[in-house]
Amino acid sequence: KAGVTQTPRYLIKTRGQQVTLSCSPISGHRSVSWYQQTPGQGLQFLFEYFSETQRNKGNFPGRFSGRQFSNSRSEMNVSTLELGDSALYLCASSAGTSGSSYNEQFFGPGTRLTVL
Amino acid sequence: TQLLEQSPQFLSIQEGENLTVYCNSSSVFSSLQWYRQEPGEGPVLLVTVVTGGEVKKLKRLTFQFGDARKDSSLHITAAQPGDTGLYLCAGMDSNYQLIWGAGTKLIIKP
Repeated sequence: KAGVTQTPRYLIKTRGQQVTLSCSPISGHRSVSWYQQTPGQGLQFLFEYFSETQRNKGNFPGRFSGRQFSNSRSEMNVSTLELGDSALYLCASSAGTSGSSYNEQFFGPGTRLTVL
Repeated sequence: TQLLEQSPQFLSIQEGENLTVYCNSSSVFSSLQWYRQEPGEGPVLLVTVVTGGEVKKLKRLTFQFGDARKDSSLHITAAQPGDTGLYLCAGMDSNYQLIWGAGTKLIIKP
């Protein structure tokens, strides 16, 4: 079973630009979550999509948005980039169904975004 | 706001030593997950504990869920350089949302 894939792996942008990151979940997984990871703040939850609907949302400004397609693939967009947006952006998929395995996250390798 | 406090934040020990990492909260979790993240990679799930008092073993790693399901510990016996990484705990709250600890950066020196 293929794992979670994220593209691109590395990205360099300048302030004010926008960026779109892509995530393909494990086959059969319907939930995709996005996280921002920085050395100072740790792992911060951005949002979760389940069956094309945003199910949960973290405390990030509206510049951060996402969507999920019918094949469960997800994209995350950040507009008007700021220096502080430099981080590792991680995508995780899960079955998203009930039971003790609910929300066990399978992470991709991440996209390293650098904003200059 | 629910918090999951992880300690220590950083630990550097010699190969062969034992260590324990803690996750503590004032909130009750329905389950708690432990992950390990290596540089340049995403976190990888190690274990999920569900029942209060539950103990799970993964080779030299022992995970325990507190009786009240508010805390958890990870004990590593005879640490190896391959255990080096960032260890993260995440508790699932009553709304099925994951609450993440800040992580413990572990370095095992040969």
